[in-house]
Amino acid sequence: DAKTTQPPSMDCAEGRAANLPCNHSTISGNEYVYWYRQIHSQGPQYIIHGLKNNETNEMASLIITEDRKSSTLILPHATLRDTAVYYCIVRANNAGNMLTFGGGTRLMVKP
Amino acid sequence: DVKVTQSSRYLVKRTGEKVFLECVQDMDHENMFWYRQDPGLGLRLIYFSYDVKMKEKGDIPEGYSVSREKKERFSLILESASTNQTSMYLCASSLSKVSYEQYFGPGTRLTVT
Repeated sequence: DAKTTQPPSMDCAEGRAANLPCNHSTISGNEYVYWYRQIHSQGPQYIIHGLKNNETNEMASLIITEDRKSSTLILPHATLRDTAVYYCIVRANNAGNMLTFGGGTRLMVKP
Repeated sequence: DVKVTQSSRYLVKRTGEKVFLECVQDMDHENMFWYRQDPGLGLRLIYFSYDVKMKEKGDIPEGYSVSREKKERFSLILESASTNQTSMYLCASSLSKVSYEQYFGPGTRLTVT
C-alpha cells in the first residue's frame, strides 16, 4: 500500500467546512483512496472512497487531484460530533481487503 | 445496519492467564479481522479470516491465535497474556475480499497486570 501523509491535528469552527488534506505521492494506478474516522472510544467508521473522480455521499466529499498524488476530505458543515481522528488510507482493491491505518489527523470541532 | 459486537468493553487479566476475546457479526460477512490499537502506532492487523476455519497472519501475530468455527464468530486468543499485550483490541468484518468497507466493533480495552 502507498504511504500517506496527514497533518497530525486540525481545528475547525462548528458549522464551517472542514478540509482535511492527505498526500499520497507514490499512489499506484490501481489504488483507491479511502477515508475512515474514529470517534473517541469507538471503532473506526468508513466515510468514503474514490479512485480518480471526486465523490460525494451523505457524510462527506472527496476531492482527488488530477495527478492523484493528494486528496482532500471535506465535511461541509462540521458539527461537534465530527470531532474525531480521520484516517486516509490508500489501497488496491485486490489487496485482500486489509487496511493499513497511519497516524491520521485529529480534527477538533470547536463551538 | 451491520452490527459487530465484542464480548467485553473492558477486561483486566493477570500475566500468564489465557484470554479469549470474542467477536460476532450479524451480516453474513465472509471476512473478519482482529486489530490492536496503541498510542502512536495506529491500528495493526493481528489476524484475519476469509472463511470458516481459515485464518491468515497479519502484521503482528506473535503471542496470539484465532479461531473461526462459525461464519459469524471470530475469536482472538492470548495463550499466556503478557503486560505488552495491554491494548485496545478491535474486531472488524467485511462482506468479501473486494469489499471497500470494513465494519468495526466498539473495541475491547484489555489491561494485563
